[in-house]
Amino acid sequence: DTGVSQDPRHKITKRGQNVTFRCDPISEHNRLYWYRQTLGQGPEFLTYFQNEAQLEKSRLLSDRFSAERPKGSFSTLEIQRTEQGDSAMYLCASSRQGMGSPLHFGNGTRLTVT
Amino acid sequence: QKEVEQNSGPLSVPEGAIASLNCTYSDRGSQSFFWYRQYSGKSPELIMSIYSNGDKEDGRFTAQLNKASQYVSLLIRDSQPSDSATYLCAVNIGGSQGNLIFGKGTKLSVKP
Repeated sequence: DTGVSQDPRHKITKRGQNVTFRCDPISEHNRLYWYRQTLGQGPEFLTYFQNEAQLEKSRLLSDRFSAERPKGSFSTLEIQRTEQGDSAMYLCASSRQGMGSPLHFGNGTRLTVT
Repeated sequence: QKEVEQNSGPLSVPEGAIASLNCTYSDRGSQSFFWYRQYSGKSPELIMSIYSNGDKEDGRFTAQLNKASQYVSLLIRDSQPSDSATYLCAVNIGGSQGNLIFGKGTKLSVKP
């Protein structure tokens, strides 16, 4: 169990640019989640996958955000035309299938939009 | 809007005391409940999970669940300065297959 891995750890970008983050889940976990967290707030759900299928997306998720998990292993989260309000910690988590399965988080990608 | 509510704190307790952290949730259909600890600048780390009414103990930590009152709590006995962190309550909202809804977290400070 090598844990959930996220890359990069930090990303600074200018407003209007596109950014892409990668997440590698724990190998035996078939569920993968993306959350966003800002200072003083709890993690906010964005979307999750079961294998390669994207099963749920937050209604708050702008259409500038897109996530993929093409082979049911790693996932990417892309933000197009970044805005300053996108600055946050982007957390990836994975779990086994099943409603009671806890999420295990990666170290996150901190995005700063200038 | 399905919600998870926590007092943001800070909650300050002396070393060796019991710290009590509370959480309420809005959806009666919720079935799985978790406590995560988050140190400043780090990602959330799972401490406890609880699925049925009553108490669940793990070392110095006890989780308590009361589904009728829609209330879940975390007790930390013999608090240590290293327990100083933000504690996040997370609830698997009933009807959702997978995602957890998190509270804003309670910041705990344990004074030596």
